[in-house]
Amino acid sequence: GENVEQHPSTLSVQEGDSAVIKCTYSDSASNYFPWYKQELGKRPQLIIDIRSNVGEKKDQRIAVTLNKTAKHFSLHITETQPEDSAVYFCAAKTNAGGTSYGKLTFGQGTILTVHP
Amino acid sequence: KAGVTQTPRYLIKTRGQQVTLSCSPISGHRSVSWYQQTPGQGLQFLFEYFSETQRNKGNFPGRFSGRQFSNSRSEMNVSTLELGDSALYLCASSLGRGLNYEQYFGPGTRLTVT
Repeated sequence: GENVEQHPSTLSVQEGDSAVIKCTYSDSASNYFPWYKQELGKRPQLIIDIRSNVGEKKDQRIAVTLNKTAKHFSLHITETQPEDSAVYFCAAKTNAGGTSYGKLTFGQGTILTVHP
Repeated sequence: KAGVTQTPRYLIKTRGQQVTLSCSPISGHRSVSWYQQTPGQGLQFLFEYFSETQRNKGNFPGRFSGRQFSNSRSEMNVSTLELGDSALYLCASSLGRGLNYEQYFGPGTRLTVT
């Protein structure tokens, strides 16, 4: 089955700096890669996603890049703000059918702390 | 449009008991997935329901089961509770099952087993 590795497990930056979180996946059939942000005591919220026919996607200060050959994808947050502090999860989903169809496999999460 | 809702939000049970958790998806969403979140294991997939049928199942023992009703609402049941079942149980809904459908999470049910 799919396995998603996420790094780093913790990330501390100063306000205004950029933050980068990286994920690698094992199943070459995976073709949907969402990122979720989870604040303390709250539900995971979808912040951006990318599908395998696209190499990069941007939404204001957040961007995601995908390298299908290397099987890795990254989340980039620019001009970080204290309210960006949260746990970020990457995930992968395959559309190839079989037992993995429709199932999201998550990375272990990254605790991002943005210091004012 | 109302988001995904889960009831109850908090639950305390003792070992050996059973528990039923409920999830109401976003209106019009037909797929419901369940996840277990713990500090040690992160977010782990339990199962997925679509059109009242279980379509996918994670690596959990048979004590974990679920169902989906005709209105897409879903329930999961855990029988013979163990201490290790203490976790946040999240459900997520999506319009469909394929590549083009995002999953949106509910607030979760915090289960504590004593």
